[in-house]
Amino acid sequence: NAGVTQTPKFQVLKTGQSMTLQCAQDMNHEYMSWYRQDPGMGLRLIHYSVGAGITDQGEVPNGYNVSRSTTEDFPLRLLSAAPSQTSVYFCASSFGTGAHYEQYFGPGTRLTVT
Amino acid sequence: DQQVKQNSPSLSVQEGRISILNCDYTNSMFDYFLWYKKYPAEGPTFLISISSIKDKNEDGRFTVFLNKSAKHLSLHIVPSQPGDSAVYFCAARVRPDQNGNHDMRFGAGTRLTVKP
Repeated sequence: NAGVTQTPKFQVLKTGQSMTLQCAQDMNHEYMSWYRQDPGMGLRLIHYSVGAGITDQGEVPNGYNVSRSTTEDFPLRLLSAAPSQTSVYFCASSFGTGAHYEQYFGPGTRLTVT
Repeated sequence: DQQVKQNSPSLSVQEGRISILNCDYTNSMFDYFLWYKKYPAEGPTFLISISSIKDKNEDGRFTVFLNKSAKHLSLHIVPSQPGDSAVYFCAARVRPDQNGNHDMRFGAGTRLTVKP
């Protein structure tokens, strides 16, 4: 199993540009989520999905869109990039709301918006 | 509003000794607490979790303690090894609603350094 994969690893955008961060998992996990990590802030939940066709907002959803058309993929879209979105983005997946609820994280995408 | 707080940004211990990482929370709706470990340029990896109905969970060298009245949890690593040097995140899950929707909150992390 490849686990959770994210592309690209690094990206530089200009203010106002749009892009999609890709996330895929091959573990047949129901639950997938996107986080951003900023210095001194830990990880903050952007959006999550409890299954194909279902998404919901997390703690910091503004400026981001998601969709979940398949169990495997959960792309994160930045509609109009802003410098405040400079961060490291992590995608994660888990079996769902099971008793152990551990999430498997991808390696991250480092995004810089100039 | 940071609902999960790790007040120590860093901790340094000697190899073989105990490492104690602390975490405080404010939201009474958290039903699971988890610890993740993160190395540079990698995603976090799961270490250990505890349900809000328990007060201790042990897995090898790692033990998590939960004090609900104080809204405090801690991770004990005994004995500490140089390979444990990493950033440790405390996380908490908000109890899911009837649709299974839930939120996750993370602390800011504590950088542990274990000296040989």
